[in-house]
Amino acid sequence: GQNIDQPTEMTATEGAIVQINCTYQTSGFNGLFWYQQHAGEAPTFLSYNVLDGLEEKGRFSSFLSRSKGYSYLLLKELQMKDSASYLCAVRDGDYKLSFGAGTTVTVRA
Amino acid sequence: IAGITQAPTSQILAAGRRMTLRCTQDMRHNAMYWYRQDLGLGLRLIHYSNTAGTTGKGEVPDGYSVSRANTDDFPLTLASAVPSQTSVYFCASSPGLPTGELFFGEGSRLTVL
Repeated sequence: GQNIDQPTEMTATEGAIVQINCTYQTSGFNGLFWYQQHAGEAPTFLSYNVLDGLEEKGRFSSFLSRSKGYSYLLLKELQMKDSASYLCAVRDGDYKLSFGAGTTVTVRA
Repeated sequence: IAGITQAPTSQILAAGRRMTLRCTQDMRHNAMYWYRQDLGLGLRLIHYSNTAGTTGKGEVPDGYSVSRANTDDFPLTLASAVPSQTSVYFCASSPGLPTGELFFGEGSRLTVL
């Protein structure tokens, strides 16, 4: 099974940087995903890491350390529209995806 | 392009009633999933199907059943609904490797009274 931990809430100011940490324990590992979910909407895919290191996509970056069971999502130049829940998800050895409870990020003006 | 379509969008149901949530995708993805999302618990996998004709149990399968007669459709049935099944249900599909990200439907909000 999976054990995925991430903070419940974070608040940051518009234009700032926020880092959302995710730790996991898994039986088998086949990739780590980050999803964004606005209130009342479906989750949408943000990033995917399967090897150690940093993946950058515009204002968003995701980092993975498999030996430490650790990932983070970095959101730069925060905008009001970035206020959402961010979900860390791990794919196990059977290729099933398990999600953390999500981190609600609130961006203040 | 519709992607993934779920129906109904919202439903109020009396306890003990049978209910089927429908999910259809037009992306020809092999893998499909049903999750429920509850406040504070995140998305939990109910059932999944790696390809047409096969299904598997997820983390919280009790009280639910699925079928996968073809690639496009993956209905979720509650045989006898109970209040603890009040939740938002998301259907998702995946094209498989290399990344295998999930594409989600818009969700079905179910209230069991």
